[in-house]
Amino acid sequence: QSVLTQPPSASGTPGQRVTISCSGSSSNIGSNYVYWYQQLPGTAPKLLIYRNNQRPSGVPDRFSGSKSGTSASLAISGLRSEDEADYYCAAWDDSLSGYWVFGGGTKLTVL
Amino acid sequence: EVQLVESGGGLVQTGRSLRLSCAASGFTFDDYAMHWVRQAPGKGLEWVSGISWNSGSIGYADSVKGRFTISRDNAKNSLYLQMNSLRAEDTALYYCVKHTGVEVAGYYFDYWGQGTLVTVSS
Repeated sequence: QSVLTQPPSASGTPGQRVTISCSGSSSNIGSNYVYWYQQLPGTAPKLLIYRNNQRPSGVPDRFSGSKSGTSASLAISGLRSEDEADYYCAAWDDSLSGYWVFGGGTKLTVL
Repeated sequence: EVQLVESGGGLVQTGRSLRLSCAASGFTFDDYAMHWVRQAPGKGLEWVSGISWNSGSIGYADSVKGRFTISRDNAKNSLYLQMNSLRAEDTALYYCVKHTGVEVAGYYFDYWGQGTLVTVSS
Protein backbone atom coordinates (compact mmCIF):
# COMPACT_ATOMS: atom_id res chain seq x y z
CA GLN A 1 0.00 0.00 0.00
CA SER A 2 1.70 3.19 -1.19
CA VAL A 3 1.50 6.40 0.83
CA LEU A 4 0.59 8.36 -2.31
CA THR A 5 -2.41 7.11 -4.27
CA GLN A 6 -2.41 6.91 -8.06
CA PRO A 7 -4.81 5.15 -10.43
CA PRO A 8 -3.20 1.91 -11.58
CA SER A 9 -3.91 2.59 -15.23
CA ALA A 10 -4.78 5.30 -17.72
CA SER A 11 -5.19 5.33 -21.47
CA GLY A 12 -5.71 7.58 -24.43
CA THR A 13 -5.44 7.75 -28.18
CA PRO A 14 -2.72 9.64 -30.06
CA GLY A 15 -3.25 13.38 -29.86
CA GLN A 16 -5.48 13.21 -26.80
CA ARG A 17 -4.87 14.80 -23.43
CA VAL A 18 -4.68 12.56 -20.39
CA THR A 19 -4.24 13.34 -16.73
CA ILE A 20 -2.87 11.21 -13.92
CA SER A 21 -3.76 12.04 -10.33
CA CYS A 22 -1.72 11.63 -7.16
CA SER A 23 -3.38 11.93 -3.78
CA GLY A 24 -1.55 12.31 -0.48
CA SER A 25 -1.89 14.01 2.87
CA SER A 26 -0.89 17.11 4.79
CA SER A 27 2.46 15.59 5.77
CA ASN A 28 3.61 14.99 2.20
CA ILE A 29 1.93 16.67 -0.77
CA GLY A 30 0.18 19.16 1.47
CA SER A 31 3.46 20.62 2.74
CA ASN A 32 6.11 19.67 0.19
CA TYR A 33 6.82 19.72 -3.51
CA VAL A 34 5.64 16.94 -5.82
CA TYR A 35 7.85 15.25 -8.39
CA TRP A 36 6.95 13.04 -11.34
CA TYR A 37 9.04 10.27 -12.89
CA GLN A 38 8.55 8.41 -16.15
CA GLN A 39 9.69 4.81 -16.44
CA LEU A 40 9.77 3.44 -19.96
CA PRO A 41 9.61 -0.36 -20.25
CA GLY A 42 12.83 -2.00 -19.10
CA THR A 43 14.55 1.25 -18.15
CA ALA A 44 15.32 3.27 -15.03
CA PRO A 45 12.99 6.09 -13.98
CA LYS A 46 13.59 9.52 -15.45
CA LEU A 47 12.72 12.88 -13.89
CA LEU A 48 9.76 14.42 -15.69
CA ILE A 49 8.49 17.21 -13.42
CA TYR A 50 10.10 18.82 -10.37
CA ARG A 51 8.79 21.26 -7.78
CA ASN A 52 5.15 20.61 -8.76
CA ASN A 53 5.26 22.07 -12.26
CA GLN A 54 8.81 22.59 -13.48
CA ARG A 55 10.20 20.70 -16.46
CA PRO A 56 13.86 19.72 -16.69
CA SER A 57 15.56 20.69 -19.92
CA GLY A 58 14.74 18.20 -22.63
CA VAL A 59 11.27 17.33 -21.36
CA PRO A 60 8.66 18.40 -23.93
CA ASP A 61 6.14 21.05 -22.90
CA ARG A 62 3.42 18.47 -23.62
CA PHE A 63 4.06 17.38 -20.03
CA SER A 64 2.79 19.60 -17.23
CA GLY A 65 2.26 19.27 -13.51
CA SER A 66 0.03 20.93 -10.98
CA LYS A 67 -0.73 20.73 -7.28
CA SER A 68 -3.67 21.75 -5.14
CA GLY A 69 -3.87 21.04 -1.42
CA THR A 70 -3.00 17.39 -0.85
CA SER A 71 -3.34 16.31 -4.47
CA ALA A 72 -1.31 16.68 -7.62
CA SER A 73 -1.77 15.92 -11.29
CA LEU A 74 0.35 15.17 -14.31
CA ALA A 75 -1.12 16.13 -17.67
CA ILE A 76 0.12 14.90 -21.01
CA SER A 77 -1.23 16.64 -24.08
CA GLY A 78 -0.82 15.61 -27.70
CA LEU A 79 -0.36 12.01 -26.60
CA ARG A 80 2.23 10.03 -28.54
CA SER A 81 2.98 6.32 -28.70
CA GLU A 82 6.35 6.86 -27.04
CA ASP A 83 4.58 8.21 -23.95
CA GLU A 84 3.47 4.67 -23.11
CA ALA A 85 5.18 4.09 -19.76
CA ASP A 86 4.72 3.92 -16.02
CA TYR A 87 4.42 7.25 -14.21
CA TYR A 88 5.20 7.79 -10.54
CA CYS A 89 4.62 10.74 -8.25
CA ALA A 90 6.91 11.35 -5.28
CA ALA A 91 7.17 13.69 -2.31
CA TRP A 92 9.01 14.11 0.97
CA ASP A 93 6.90 13.13 3.98
CA ASP A 94 7.48 15.12 7.17
CA SER A 95 5.94 12.56 9.53
CA LEU A 96 8.06 10.69 12.09
CA SER A 97 11.73 11.21 11.16
CA GLY A 98 10.87 11.99 7.56
CA TYR A 99 11.12 9.86 4.50
CA TRP A 100 10.51 9.85 0.75
CA VAL A 101 7.24 8.42 -0.52
CA PHE A 102 6.12 7.32 -3.97
CA GLY A 103 2.79 6.66 -5.55
CA GLY A 104 2.03 3.14 -6.66
CA GLY A 105 2.50 4.09 -10.29
CA THR A 106 0.15 4.53 -13.24
CA LYS A 107 0.59 2.50 -16.39
CA LEU A 108 -0.27 4.68 -19.36
CA THR A 109 -1.41 2.89 -22.49
CA VAL A 110 -1.58 4.67 -25.83
CA LEU A 111 -4.35 2.96 -27.78
CA GLU B 1 27.82 12.81 -18.18
CA VAL B 2 26.45 11.50 -14.88
CA GLN B 3 26.94 7.77 -14.46
CA LEU B 4 25.80 5.58 -11.59
CA VAL B 5 26.82 1.93 -11.81
CA GLU B 6 25.46 -0.49 -9.23
CA SER B 7 26.99 -3.85 -8.40
CA GLY B 8 26.82 -6.56 -5.76
CA GLY B 9 23.38 -7.97 -6.41
CA GLY B 10 22.67 -11.66 -6.74
CA LEU B 11 20.85 -14.66 -5.32
CA VAL B 12 21.06 -15.02 -1.55
CA GLN B 13 19.35 -17.16 1.03
CA THR B 14 16.88 -15.83 3.55
CA GLY B 15 18.63 -14.45 6.62
CA ARG B 16 21.97 -13.90 4.89
CA SER B 17 23.74 -10.64 4.01
CA LEU B 18 24.69 -8.77 0.86
CA ARG B 19 26.54 -5.53 0.19
CA LEU B 20 25.61 -3.33 -2.75
CA SER B 21 27.95 -0.76 -4.24
CA CYS B 22 27.42 2.20 -6.54
CA ALA B 23 30.26 3.82 -8.47
CA ALA B 24 29.50 7.43 -9.36
CA SER B 25 31.11 9.60 -12.02
CA GLY B 26 30.45 12.70 -14.07
CA PHE B 27 29.67 14.98 -11.12
CA THR B 28 31.19 16.15 -7.84
CA PHE B 29 30.09 13.26 -5.66
CA ASP B 30 30.53 14.92 -2.27
CA ASP B 31 28.31 17.84 -3.26
CA TYR B 32 25.15 15.75 -3.16
CA ALA B 33 23.08 13.43 -1.03
CA MET B 34 22.55 9.93 -2.42
CA HIS B 35 19.81 7.32 -2.09
CA TRP B 36 18.86 3.72 -2.69
CA VAL B 37 15.41 3.10 -4.20
CA ARG B 38 14.13 -0.39 -4.95
CA GLN B 39 11.52 -1.92 -7.23
CA ALA B 40 10.16 -5.40 -6.63
CA PRO B 41 9.40 -7.40 -9.79
CA GLY B 42 6.32 -5.95 -11.46
CA LYS B 43 5.79 -3.47 -8.62
CA GLY B 44 6.29 0.22 -7.93
CA LEU B 45 9.15 2.26 -6.54
CA GLU B 46 10.06 2.21 -2.85
CA TRP B 47 12.58 4.53 -1.19
CA VAL B 48 14.99 2.45 0.90
CA SER B 49 17.54 4.83 2.36
CA GLY B 50 19.29 8.15 1.88
CA ILE B 51 22.55 9.72 3.08
CA SER B 52 23.61 13.35 3.14
CA TRP B 53 26.74 14.67 1.45
CA ASN B 54 28.92 14.25 4.53
CA SER B 55 27.12 11.21 6.04
CA GLY B 56 25.86 13.46 8.82
CA SER B 57 22.21 12.74 8.09
CA ILE B 58 20.86 9.29 7.24
CA GLY B 59 17.33 7.99 6.79
CA TYR B 60 15.75 4.58 6.32
CA ALA B 61 12.36 3.22 5.33
CA ASP B 62 10.65 1.43 8.21
CA SER B 63 10.75 -1.79 6.19
CA VAL B 64 14.56 -1.93 6.35
CA LYS B 65 15.39 -0.01 9.54
CA GLY B 66 17.70 -2.03 11.79
CA ARG B 67 18.66 -4.41 8.98
CA PHE B 68 20.18 -2.19 6.27
CA THR B 69 23.04 0.31 6.60
CA ILE B 70 23.83 2.98 4.03
CA SER B 71 27.28 4.51 3.79
CA ARG B 72 29.45 6.44 1.37
CA ASP B 73 33.12 6.99 0.64
CA ASN B 74 33.56 10.40 -0.92
CA ALA B 75 37.23 9.73 -1.66
CA LYS B 76 36.18 6.78 -3.81
CA ASN B 77 33.00 8.38 -5.26
CA SER B 78 31.08 5.39 -3.99
CA LEU B 79 27.80 4.61 -2.24
CA TYR B 80 27.08 1.40 -0.37
CA LEU B 81 24.17 -0.53 1.11
CA GLN B 82 24.87 -3.26 3.62
CA MET B 83 21.85 -5.54 3.77
CA ASN B 84 21.57 -7.99 6.68
CA SER B 85 18.86 -10.46 7.73
CA LEU B 86 17.49 -10.50 4.21
CA ARG B 87 13.88 -11.51 3.65
CA ALA B 88 11.97 -12.70 0.59
CA GLU B 89 10.22 -9.32 0.45
CA ASP B 90 13.60 -7.61 -0.08
CA THR B 91 13.74 -9.18 -3.56
CA ALA B 92 13.96 -6.23 -5.94
CA LEU B 93 15.98 -4.21 -8.39
CA TYR B 94 17.99 -1.75 -6.31
CA TYR B 95 18.68 1.64 -7.88
CA CYS B 96 21.42 4.04 -6.86
CA VAL B 97 19.97 7.54 -7.12
CA LYS B 98 21.58 10.98 -7.08
CA HIS B 99 19.94 13.83 -5.17
CA THR B 100 20.02 17.47 -6.23
CA GLY B 101 20.72 18.80 -2.73
CA VAL B 102 23.19 18.06 0.04
CA GLU B 103 20.65 16.73 2.53
CA VAL B 104 18.32 13.72 2.35
CA ALA B 105 15.18 15.86 2.63
CA GLY B 106 14.03 18.50 0.20
CA TYR B 107 15.13 18.91 -3.39
CA TYR B 108 14.72 15.72 -5.42
CA PHE B 109 16.22 12.75 -7.26
CA ASP B 110 17.58 13.55 -10.69
CA TYR B 111 19.73 10.67 -11.96
CA TRP B 112 19.19 6.93 -11.56
CA GLY B 113 21.51 4.01 -12.23
CA GLN B 114 20.34 0.94 -14.12
CA GLY B 115 19.95 -1.08 -10.93
CA THR B 116 21.28 -4.32 -9.50
CA LEU B 117 18.96 -7.25 -8.87
CA VAL B 118 18.74 -8.83 -5.44
CA THR B 119 16.87 -12.11 -5.15
CA VAL B 120 16.25 -13.55 -1.69
CA SER B 121 15.16 -17.14 -1.62
CA SER B 122 14.93 -19.92 0.91
